Amino acid sequence: EDKVVQSPLSLVVHEGDTVTLNCSYEVTNFRSLLWYKQEKKAPTFLFMLTSSGIEKKSGRLSSILDKKELFSILNITATQTGDSAVYLCAGTFGNEKLTFGTGTRLTIIP
Amino acid sequence: GAVVSQHPSRVICKSGTSVKIECRSLDFQATTMFWYRQFPKQSLMLMATSNEGSKATYEQGVEKDKFLINHASLTLSTLTVTSAHPEDSSFYICSAPRPSSGNTIYFGEGSWLTVV
Repeated sequence: EDKVVQSPLSLVVHEGDTVTLNCSYEVTNFRSLLWYKQEKKAPTFLFMLTSSGIEKKSGRLSSILDKKELFSILNITATQTGDSAVYLCAGTFGNEKLTFGTGTRLTIIP
Repeated sequence: GAVVSQHPSRVICKSGTSVKIECRSLDFQATTMFWYRQFPKQSLMLMATSNEGSKATYEQGVEKDKFLINHASLTLSTLTVTSAHPEDSSFYICSAPRPSSGNTIYFGEGSWLTVV
C-alpha cells in the first residue's frame, strides 16, 4: 500500500528561524510528490517534484526530492508568522490520486 | 486566482436531509476530479474519484449510496450527501489535475458541512 510519512508532526519556532520539514514515501509506482500549505481552508499548492536532485524555489521556500532514498524536504528560511500553517506532503502513484501524509503543523512565534 | 471553485463554502442541514456540494474547474476541462474529507486536525482522506461520463470510483469504506457523485460535464462534479447524519459533519474538499500545469492538482476552497 502506498504510504507517505511526514515529520515532525508539529514544530514551534521563533520568527526568523529556518525550518526543514520532512516527507518520506513508500510507493509501487511513483510519479510525483507535491507540497501544500493549509491554513484555515483548503490546501494551496506550493511545489510539485518529479525529478531527483533538482531544487524548486519560491521566495523563502524551497524543496528537493531524493528518489533514491524516497524522501523530500521543504525548507523555509527567515520564517514569518504568516508561515504558520499545516504543511502537507502528498504523492501521486500510478495515477492522479493523491496520497497525503499526516501533515506538519508549523507555528511561528513572533 | 482560484482555478477550482467549490460551492457552498458552508452549509448546515437537518438530519435525514440531503445536501449537494459543487466543484467546478474554472479555466480547464477536468475529466477526473477527486473528493476528499477532512476531520479537524487530521489529514485529507480520499473518498472517491469522479470520472466524467462514467461512474465514480469509491475508496474502500466509503458508502457509494450515501455519497453520490455525478460528473455532469467536463467542468462540474457534484457530491451529494444523502440522508445526512451528524457524523457526516466534516470539511469536504474537491480537487482536479490541471493539464496546462503539468497535471498539478489544485483544490477547491472546501465546504464545511454541519448536520444538526
